[in-house]
Amino acid sequence: KQEVTQIPAALSVPEGENLVLNCSFTDSAIYNLQWFRQDPGKGLTSLLLIQSSQREQTSGRLNASLDKSSGRSTLYIAASQPGDSATYLCAADITSGTYKYIFGTGTRLKVLA
Amino acid sequence: DAGITQSPRHKVTETGTPVTLRCHQTENHRYMYWYRQDPGHGLRLIHYSYGVKDTDKGEVSDGYSVSRSKTEDFLLTLESATSSQTSVYFCAIRPSGGNTEAFFGQGTRLTVV
Repeated sequence: KQEVTQIPAALSVPEGENLVLNCSFTDSAIYNLQWFRQDPGKGLTSLLLIQSSQREQTSGRLNASLDKSSGRSTLYIAASQPGDSATYLCAADITSGTYKYIFGTGTRLKVLA
Repeated sequence: DAGITQSPRHKVTETGTPVTLRCHQTENHRYMYWYRQDPGHGLRLIHYSYGVKDTDKGEVSDGYSVSRSKTEDFLLTLESATSSQTSVYFCAIRPSGGNTEAFFGQGTRLTVV
């Protein structure tokens, strides 16, 4: 059974720091992996999608990598800002043909001004 | 919000009553999903649909049923609500094909008293 783990569960950093959020999955047979952001009381906002054939994707200050062999994905946030404060979720698309996601429990990020 | 509307956004209901949550999309996407989000558990898949009248169970489907009579609408029904079904419910959509992003609605906060 595919399990997705995100460590740490919470992270507090000063503004301007570069930081890395980790996502681990137990089964390397995934279609793709998607990173989301969730603000308190809100829905999920898609940040990046990494296809299984790709190693990384970039959008602005965000860069996500995928290493299927080691069962890991990382989300790199450059020059963090207070507006980046949110919970970050990763989701692995399991190889079942129905494109179902298995979610991690998230990393709650707080960027201090 | 990627053309997804969930209704109602908030609901309080009594134990034992039936409840129906609605997810409406304007994107004409094939796949639709219902997740629930609970502290400590992250998002878990309840049911999903891969086309009109085509649905299947997720990992936490007990006590829930779904229907999809039109491409744009996916209904989640709690036949007899219980306190354990107090949660935030999210609808998601994805177009056909494995390497596509999932988009989420804003959520429905359901409280069963």
